[in-house]
Amino acid sequence: RKEVEQDPGPFNVPEGATVAFNCTYSNSASQSFFWYRQDCRKEPKLLMSVYSSGNEDGRFTAQLNRASQYISLLIRDSKLSDSATYLCVVNGDNAGNMLTFGGGTRLMVKP
Amino acid sequence: DAGVIQSPRHEVTEMGQEVTLRCKPISGHDYLFWYRQTMMRGLELLIYFNNNVPIDDSGMPEDRFSAKMPNASFSTLKIQPSEPRDSAVYFCASSKFGETQYFGPGTRLLVL
Repeated sequence: RKEVEQDPGPFNVPEGATVAFNCTYSNSASQSFFWYRQDCRKEPKLLMSVYSSGNEDGRFTAQLNRASQYISLLIRDSKLSDSATYLCVVNGDNAGNMLTFGGGTRLMVKP
Repeated sequence: DAGVIQSPRHEVTEMGQEVTLRCKPISGHDYLFWYRQTMMRGLELLIYFNNNVPIDDSGMPEDRFSAKMPNASFSTLKIQPSEPRDSAVYFCASSKFGETQYFGPGTRLLVL
């Protein structure tokens, strides 16, 4: 079983749609959680951290369920520029500096 | 500020040749990470350093791979001898303790 599992997609949605991605992780001792975004042929970049109480950044909302070891990302009013691969990321050690990446979920927003 | 710098950006080599990838982390960052990304296996951590010291190299595939960090501003990942299955994008990332990792643009390696 992979440490961080995601549906690879692709998710094909029209502009303006709301789309949600889910992720599960296996290490119950994990302390930090993130969503990274990776554009085609580019490096991963931090999209947002995920906090226990849930957090929002503009059109993006992240949720964490520690009991179920489940993380989600909701994108509202999707834009063409949201097309990318979204990586669920979990810290892999107590120091919080070693990250384990999910395989990514590909999103394609169509006009 | 300059981000993480990697060189070369692209490398094409023949099987059996030595390949050296280079990374300059962001100034002031004390953690440096080397990752490999392929379609089949996704993004995998190969090795990471803290204050120039290798902390965890359990992701290094085999003895053909080696990494060094002679000082705070430079690291290398070497593959000798290279094989076609080493073809991938290799990313270097750096961070401060407890903070997010910043990735370099990657080196696209093709071993023929």
